[in-house]
Amino acid sequence: NAGVTQTPKFQVLKTGQSMTLQCAQDMNHNSMYWYRQDPGMGLRLIYYSASEGTTDKGEVPNGYNVSRLNKREFSLRLESAAPSQTSVYFCASTRQGQSSSNQPQHFGDGTRLSIL
Amino acid sequence: GQSLEQPSEVTAVEGAIVQINCTYQTSGFYGLSWYQQHDGGAPTFLSYNALDGLEETGRFSSFLSRSDSYGYLLLQELQMKDSASYFCAVRDANRGSTLGRLYFGRGTQLTVWP
Repeated sequence: NAGVTQTPKFQVLKTGQSMTLQCAQDMNHNSMYWYRQDPGMGLRLIYYSASEGTTDKGEVPNGYNVSRLNKREFSLRLESAAPSQTSVYFCASTRQGQSSSNQPQHFGDGTRLSIL
Repeated sequence: GQSLEQPSEVTAVEGAIVQINCTYQTSGFYGLSWYQQHDGGAPTFLSYNALDGLEETGRFSSFLSRSDSYGYLLLQELQMKDSASYFCAVRDANRGSTLGRLYFGRGTQLTVWP
């Protein structure tokens, strides 16, 4: 049982290049998330998908697009990379359920992205 | 909006007890979670409080006071392997389609010394 799998683990891009970060989960979770983590800033939500077929902006969506390809996969695309997008990107998933129930998020190992 | 405050760093020695506090301001609230992250790896879930009081899981306990918008994570019998970053997070209660959405604090770096 792999959980949440992110590819690639590391990537270096030049300013203006594009790339897609892949995320897949095998836990049959409804909701998936993309975060970025910068030093001293914690985890900030970029985009999320509450269920298959829906996506919504998070706190820092500018410069990114997402696709919920199916229930398992949620990709993040940088159309024209900028140095400010240098960060560690984490994908997470959770099972959507009752409002008061615990819904822990399960994270992938991250993608370390550098934009030169 | 949502904001969470937690100390940036805490240090302690092996065997000691340490408490990491978290205060929050949210427009809606469903629960307070704690996550652990080692050396920039995948954050992992530790605990969740939806109601006031103390939840205990082995050496770790988490407390919540909704009236004070305050919670803490208590780590007992500290071990070297507990050196990590700890994040508090609140769940957004305002939108029916985003019940799983979390807002994270900036994290507390815990260093455990021998």
